[in-house]
Amino acid sequence: EVQLVESGGGLVKPGGSLKLSCAASGFTFSDYYMYWVRQTPEKRLEWVATISDGGSYTYYPDSVKGRFTISRDNAKNNLYLQMSSLKSEDTAMYYCARGRGVYYAMDYWGQGTSVTVSS
Amino acid sequence: NIMMTQSPSSLAVSAGEKVTMSCKSSQSVLYSSNQKNYLAWYQQKPGQSPKLLIYWASTRESGVPDRFTGSGSGTDFTLTISSVQAEDLAVYYCHQYLSSRTFGGGTKLEIK
Repeated sequence: EVQLVESGGGLVKPGGSLKLSCAASGFTFSDYYMYWVRQTPEKRLEWVATISDGGSYTYYPDSVKGRFTISRDNAKNNLYLQMSSLKSEDTAMYYCARGRGVYYAMDYWGQGTSVTVSS
Repeated sequence: NIMMTQSPSSLAVSAGEKVTMSCKSSQSVLYSSNQKNYLAWYQQKPGQSPKLLIYWASTRESGVPDRFTGSGSGTDFTLTISSVQAEDLAVYYCHQYLSSRTFGGGTKLEIK
């Protein structure tokens, strides 16, 4: 059974940093691209980051480029999102998801970890 | 960025009725080289994460009931539920993955 379990969320002050993790199981992690997608309190979904199966390629929207870094450890089946210079608009539920490639739909999502940026 | 617009924002139907919901993209998500539409539909039930229903605009994900059908091409897409069941209570999102990745605002389906 495919499982994606996020952790690391919490309350952080504006300008602060946080690192999210996603533990994957039930599939060959190194065969898949991985993604972070967030859902705002208004329930809007926003793509946050993509990393290739081997970890060599990463992609970000302009809204987080330079502030967020996606990485992975294929030996440990873990995905990460390092977030810095956090803003109130980064407040959201953060999901990790998997997909076959840059131009494929995300087929499994985790249950999410909540991030609140507030003073 | 390609903007995705869904309508209606919400609808309420009785069990057994047919439902259609719309998704329009600001630019075509049809890739001419392979004639594939880079459009997916997700279902998000209350308290759960999104679940993939449809990809390539009309390909049903494994295990998805055949009452769910995706159609359309280019910039206009439709998700149809042929006979709504109580368990279909959810928000449905469309998502394009051709150019960057963007999502529609969702259609909330309520059961009368």
